[in-house]
Amino acid sequence: AQSVTQPDIHITVSEGASLELRCNYSYGATPYLFWYVQSPGQGLQLLLKYFSGDTLVQGIKGFEAEFKRSQSSFNLRKPSVHWSDAAEYFCAVFNAGNNRKLIWGLGTSLAVNP
Amino acid sequence: KAGVTQTPRYLIKTRGQQVTLSCSPISGHRSVSWYQQTPGQGLQFLFEYFSETQRNKGNFPGRFSGRQFSNSRSEMNVSTLELGDSALYLCASRWGLAGAKLFSYNEQFFGPGTRLTVL
Repeated sequence: AQSVTQPDIHITVSEGASLELRCNYSYGATPYLFWYVQSPGQGLQLLLKYFSGDTLVQGIKGFEAEFKRSQSSFNLRKPSVHWSDAAEYFCAVFNAGNNRKLIWGLGTSLAVNP
Repeated sequence: KAGVTQTPRYLIKTRGQQVTLSCSPISGHRSVSWYQQTPGQGLQFLFEYFSETQRNKGNFPGRFSGRQFSNSRSEMNVSTLELGDSALYLCASRWGLAGAKLFSYNEQFFGPGTRLTVL
């Protein structure tokens, strides 16, 4: 069955430090992959997505992610974190088979120290 | 263009009661999906409506139901509430069905959610 794993439940970084959030997926075909961010009291906002082509994708707010098929990973990165990046981050894969829906990871909570 | 709106934002109910949540999609969007979000289970897909018809559903009991109106607004209803129904319920809209064509996808936009607490 398709699944998404975000190994880190909670991460704390200092403002200005680099960030990498891990995401591993299990999916038989070429995946459609997404990263969403959820700030307190807010809905989910799409940061970036990968459908095909260049394996390094750029998103909003200075985020990028790299698709590595050999590792079944789609890790999210940011070179310099801002305090406003503190939020919950979700990785998801779209099941393009008969049951077409997003399959979500459990999320990684990011805290940013000043 | 206004985003997805959900009402109410917060609800407190007791076990055994029923509840109705409302979602207004982005203008022009015809598909509405509902999700349940809890700390332990994460985001779980409830169902998707398009043109007033349920097109896809997740693995939830029949106590969870929904409907969509001709203006694309959607409601979801939970009957006979249980403590475990306490969650953030998110609504998302998109212009068409997810994967309307094979291997296609169109982006969905989320509302802020309704926080349901069952006592």
